[in-house]
Amino acid sequence: EAGVVQSPRYKIIEKKQPVAFWCNPISGHNTLYWYLQNLGQGPELLIRYENEEAVDDSQLPKDRFSAERLKGVDSTLKIQPAELGDSAVYLCASSTGTSNSPLHFGNGTRLTVT
Amino acid sequence: GEDVEQSLFLSVREGDSSVINCTYTDSSSTYLYWYKQEPGAGLQLLTYIFSNMDMKQDQRLTVLLNKKDKHLSLRIADTQTGDSAIYFCAESLSGYSTLTFGKGTMLLVSP
Repeated sequence: EAGVVQSPRYKIIEKKQPVAFWCNPISGHNTLYWYLQNLGQGPELLIRYENEEAVDDSQLPKDRFSAERLKGVDSTLKIQPAELGDSAVYLCASSTGTSNSPLHFGNGTRLTVT
Repeated sequence: GEDVEQSLFLSVREGDSSVINCTYTDSSSTYLYWYKQEPGAGLQLLTYIFSNMDMKQDQRLTVLLNKKDKHLSLRIADTQTGDSAIYFCAESLSGYSTLTFGKGTMLLVSP
């Protein structure tokens, strides 16, 4: 089966510019996650979707970050405006959503804000 | 609250066994996972264990769980240079699929 696909792989932008990341989960996976991974750290959850509904967005900085999963499949994560501290790897993952279903991760988008 | 802790670095020689340790604080954890991350890549699931198990073996990998001490370990037998990577321990809580990760242990295997 095809894995989780993310694009772009790398993005370099100047601060205050907008940026968007795209994720296509594994077919049939209803649950989609966006995680943030800072250098030398483990991934931290930003938002979790069950189908098209955001069921956990408590860690998403809503003043500048937004996400959508309109048809319950693909998802986009947007930052507007980007700040220097947003430089990190943004990981997308998907699962079937049950408590014993492992998360499958994409390769991530490495964002550099200059 | 949830907290997963790991030692930051482990260095072994090729052919030796590696043991990576993890402690967690939430006693309601139901599944515990080990993921591997190679440079520039996402996280690859290695194995996982249900909290009512003490041990799980999968080829060169052995997971040991001490639920009383909230301690999880990953043993890699006959470690190879290709095993060099960062290994993350993660927990999920009952009824939730979201994982909480440790900061990762960098494993360096020298020839």
